[in-house]
Amino acid sequence: QQQVKQSPQSLIVQKGGISIINCAYENTAFDYFPWYQQFPGKGPALLIAIRPDVSEKKEGRFTISFNKSAKQFSLHIMDSQPGDSATYFCAASIGYGGATNKLIFGTGTLLAVQP
Amino acid sequence: DTAVSQTPKYLVTQMGNDKSIKCEQNLGHDTMYWYKQDSKKFLKIMFSYNNKELIINETVPNRFSPKSPDKAHLNLHINSLELGDSAVYFCASSHPPAPEAFFGQGTRLTVV
Repeated sequence: QQQVKQSPQSLIVQKGGISIINCAYENTAFDYFPWYQQFPGKGPALLIAIRPDVSEKKEGRFTISFNKSAKQFSLHIMDSQPGDSATYFCAASIGYGGATNKLIFGTGTLLAVQP
Repeated sequence: DTAVSQTPKYLVTQMGNDKSIKCEQNLGHDTMYWYKQDSKKFLKIMFSYNNKELIINETVPNRFSPKSPDKAHLNLHINSLELGDSAVYFCASSHPPAPEAFFGQGTRLTVV
């Protein structure tokens, strides 16, 4: 119940194209859904996040679409650039009485944007 | 100025040794974490501390012992290292109830 399923495992997109990564969850107690971007040799960096009471959030070229009834959310990268080539992780967060939050990560998507 | 910093970045050691990884955050956050990223890049929480108190312990072997001397520091000590402990260990911090977590650059541990 605390799994987050992510697909695809890898994705190749042409420069200027749209990259789409999908995630699904089961636990309705999750209350925050971030996406992280990780470059080789670096730590995961928070890219964009959404709460379950919002259906869409856009920040620049990055958009999260959230479907609460289907328990699915996705990341869209518009006008994909070679610099976007990285591993992307979706995650779901559950709070522990305001003291901490636990992130459950998806399995990651390796995105390669070809010039 | 690095927000969450870990040392060392790389650690190569023999089986059976004991090693420590240090983490410091200058974000003023109350909560710190250790996450493990395995060879398939899967990220999983190990521990969470809030203001020096252990809140989450994700059924990690007793050989792993976190210590938080103050809320800005969280260290991870590993006893009797095994080959299977080879992974990248990430420290992170957040300021609950705000859920945003910020990660360090990781420590790549290789046990030979």
